[in-house]
Amino acid sequence: EAQVTQNPRYLITVTGKKLTVTCSQNMNHEYMSWYRQDPGLGLRQIYYSMNVEVTDKGDVPEGYKVSRKEKRNFPLILESPSPNQTSLYFCASGTWGKDDTDTQYFGPGTRLTVL
Amino acid sequence: KNEVEQSPQNLTAQEGEFITINCSYSVGISALHWLQQHPGGGIVSLFMLSSGKKKHGRLIATINIQEKHSSLHITASHPRDSAVYICAVYISNFGNEKLTFGTGTRLTIIP
Repeated sequence: EAQVTQNPRYLITVTGKKLTVTCSQNMNHEYMSWYRQDPGLGLRQIYYSMNVEVTDKGDVPEGYKVSRKEKRNFPLILESPSPNQTSLYFCASGTWGKDDTDTQYFGPGTRLTVL
Repeated sequence: KNEVEQSPQNLTAQEGEFITINCSYSVGISALHWLQQHPGGGIVSLFMLSSGKKKHGRLIATINIQEKHSSLHITASHPRDSAVYICAVYISNFGNEKLTFGTGTRLTIIP
């Protein structure tokens, strides 16, 4: 089954404690991305990757790191989480520039609370 | 001012009505994406288009690049169409494609 998986789905942590949210896709997609969703602000892109070893900042990259060492995985790293990073996070993967059927598949979301 | 504006923000309609959701953007884009977010939170991609019109079942998406405007239409609306519909645009950045979102349109279809 084609899918994007994220782990963990729910996480409560404390300020300053490093954490990683994993994202994995089984569709051999080149494009992967991380988003956060906040009430009143909607979805905002954090980082994206056009291919292995190619990453770029989205609209809100501050406080986050990513890596793309292999095509299927795109982890999101919070080196020193702060309460303003409390949010709902989505990972997505998709095709880009292939043909008329370009799309993105979203993971189920990770709800992060930083105390 | 947001680069991507959607209207209306909220829309309530009776089952069977024809629905139109609008998206306007202020920057040059390489493509536009329509997404649906279910009440449970899951996000589904509906359309990605860079020109013209696409149709899938009761959903139709159009885009006018010159006018920087896209519309999402739902024909014969049904309560299961109740969701938040989100427009997003791809902005090219030296070969990379950044995605910027509108704030969404909350659609409620009453039986």
